[in-house]
Amino acid sequence: GAGVSQSPSNKVTEKGKDVELRCDPISGHTALYWYRQSLGQGLEFLIYFQGNSAPDKSGLPSDRFSAERTGGSVSTLTIQRTQQEDSAVYLCASSLRAPSGRATDTQYFGPGTRLTVL
Amino acid sequence: QKEVEQNSGPLSVPEGAIASLNCTYSDRGSQSFFWYRQYSGKSPELIMFIYSNGDKEDGRFTAQLNKASQYVSLLIRDSQPSDSATYLCAVKRAGGYNKLIFGAGTRLAVHP
Repeated sequence: GAGVSQSPSNKVTEKGKDVELRCDPISGHTALYWYRQSLGQGLEFLIYFQGNSAPDKSGLPSDRFSAERTGGSVSTLTIQRTQQEDSAVYLCASSLRAPSGRATDTQYFGPGTRLTVL
Repeated sequence: QKEVEQNSGPLSVPEGAIASLNCTYSDRGSQSFFWYRQYSGKSPELIMFIYSNGDKEDGRFTAQLNKASQYVSLLIRDSQPSDSATYLCAVKRAGGYNKLIFGAGTRLAVHP
């Protein structure tokens, strides 16, 4: 596809259930990022992938959150035993590469998955 | 103290005026600075980035960076109602793998 895609667009779940959120980055983009945005807040970094490895998972809020990326492409963010405070929009972004230092590479965002935990 | 701070607004300006959006950051090691625009219910889109002190212009947008004072601003000239959105400031730390730290955003309302 032309852009980053995410599924589902909306997810309503009951407290205590597990959920899986999917991200399909732009073809050829080696770097992939997960962020979440709570109502009226900025984006909170969760985890970053370079290829299939995750050199920075410092933003994952608890061990209920995990993510994987396979084939250097699709990524899945899993939230186990969901809590009401997990309700947010989960955004995925990708960039062609992930340079260090001052150099940067534009991150392109997907449309997000709105998660509501009842 | 949040690492990236923005006034939440709303900042209300008349059509045709200059809108000035400000952002301060706490990590002196931050190297690159970004402005994203986010329309309600949509995903953020990059407007511009800056990494050298001074001004950087792109069309109606000018980003200004002052590393000594740790602030970055975005000026929008000839503001249009279509510019009404939330503007997110983000910074990249040194060695940060392109990871961005975002502020909470400033809501801009341009009225005809």
